[in-house]
Amino acid sequence: AQSVSQHNHHVILSEAASLELGCNYSYGGTVNLFWYVQYPGQHLQLLLKYFSGDPLVKGIKGFEAEFIKSKFSFNLRKPSVQWSDTAEYFCAVNEVGTGGFKTIFGAGTRLFVKA
Amino acid sequence: DGGITQSPKYLFRKEGQNVTLSCEQNLNHDAMYWYRQDPGQGLRLIYYSQIVNDFQKGDIAEGYSVSREKKESFPLTVTSAQKNPTAFYLCASSTQSSYNEQFFGPGTRLTVL
Repeated sequence: AQSVSQHNHHVILSEAASLELGCNYSYGGTVNLFWYVQYPGQHLQLLLKYFSGDPLVKGIKGFEAEFIKSKFSFNLRKPSVQWSDTAEYFCAVNEVGTGGFKTIFGAGTRLFVKA
Repeated sequence: DGGITQSPKYLFRKEGQNVTLSCEQNLNHDAMYWYRQDPGQGLRLIYYSQIVNDFQKGDIAEGYSVSREKKESFPLTVTSAQKNPTAFYLCASSTQSSYNEQFFGPGTRLTVL
């Protein structure tokens, strides 16, 4: 079965530390890639997405992600985290096939940033 | 104000009872989705609908049912056949393009007593 793997379930960082959250998927066809974020008490919302062009995409709040097709990866990065980045982060993949697409979510990574 | 509303926010039910969770969107999206979110398991797709009067089972449809009689509404019924119904339920909608993201509601936390 197709899957999306997020390598870290829990990450604890101090403010100003750099962040990298891993995401790998298993689908060999055309994909569109997303990172969503769920801040405490808030709706799940889009952080950034990739569907074509420059494999390095920038999102809100200083986040970026790099699509590496050969590695089936779409890792999320931020050079310097803030306490307000404490949230749960989900990688998602739209697997495009004949007749439409299917969205698969990863299990999520809980990030806690210490002030 | 465009968005997705889910009601109620918290729901309690006794074992053996069916319960219906509401989801409404005013984004004019064709596609709507129901997910179940459990700690450490991410979002698992229960049912989805790409157009009115049509819906498909997701990965964990057993014990659930849906209807899509109107574009803006996609209610989910958790039946007594669902063995482990206590969970956080999220509704989402999107356009039919794979390029576009899903928009999520605030969720309903269902607890079966």
